[in-house]
Amino acid sequence: EADIYQTPRYLVIGTGKKITLECSQTMGHDKMYWYQQDPGMELHLIHYSYGVNSTEKGDLSSESTVSRIRTEHFPLTLESARPSHTSQYLCASSESGGKNEQFFGPGTRLTVL
Amino acid sequence: GEDVEQSLFLSVREGDSSVINCTYTDSSSTYLYWYKQEPGAGLQLLTYIFSNMDMKQDQRLTVLLNKKDKHLSLRIADTQTGDSAIYFCAETFSGGYNKLIFGAGTRLAVHP
Repeated sequence: EADIYQTPRYLVIGTGKKITLECSQTMGHDKMYWYQQDPGMELHLIHYSYGVNSTEKGDLSSESTVSRIRTEHFPLTLESARPSHTSQYLCASSESGGKNEQFFGPGTRLTVL
Repeated sequence: GEDVEQSLFLSVREGDSSVINCTYTDSSSTYLYWYKQEPGAGLQLLTYIFSNMDMKQDQRLTVLLNKKDKHLSLRIADTQTGDSAIYFCAETFSGGYNKLIFGAGTRLAVHP
């Protein structure tokens, strides 16, 4: 079973608030990812990291930012939440190497009012 | 560009076989994956196939790969109500970092 955790699972918040979505993994994986998924839709990569102090933007432009100070931790921050940020955010991790088997967390469903 | 396409919906009777199809564009993909997502949950890796294989079987799951046509399928034998979920096909992007390209997902509904 994958050991990757996300908190909170659900968050309802007002416009303009700063929020941080937490993601942690205990597998020692170098690579970590954030995806955004609207209901019933495909996943879009918004951020990824090769390792500590490495962060890159993904395919879908996002106003969120990420940091990778520790291998196991990859938080995502929105400085000022807006209704357009309402979505599900999925965190994943994988080992270095060719297979790229990504393990997913349970997701955070964010609603911005 | 990279693209993965799947049919959006499949309905089957309990006990029948389900076949979910996927086409992809990156012919140099090394691995192709099937993920399952239940309501309100993250994605769970079901199985994967290496690009030099034609078929992989794992209990009730059979993956078929036609590399010439860039077509991947997932067959679920003896489909159960617990198999109702969204199934995502994904290919490994060959252009650099370990990126997966996901399809839009096929919603499988299993009815009695």
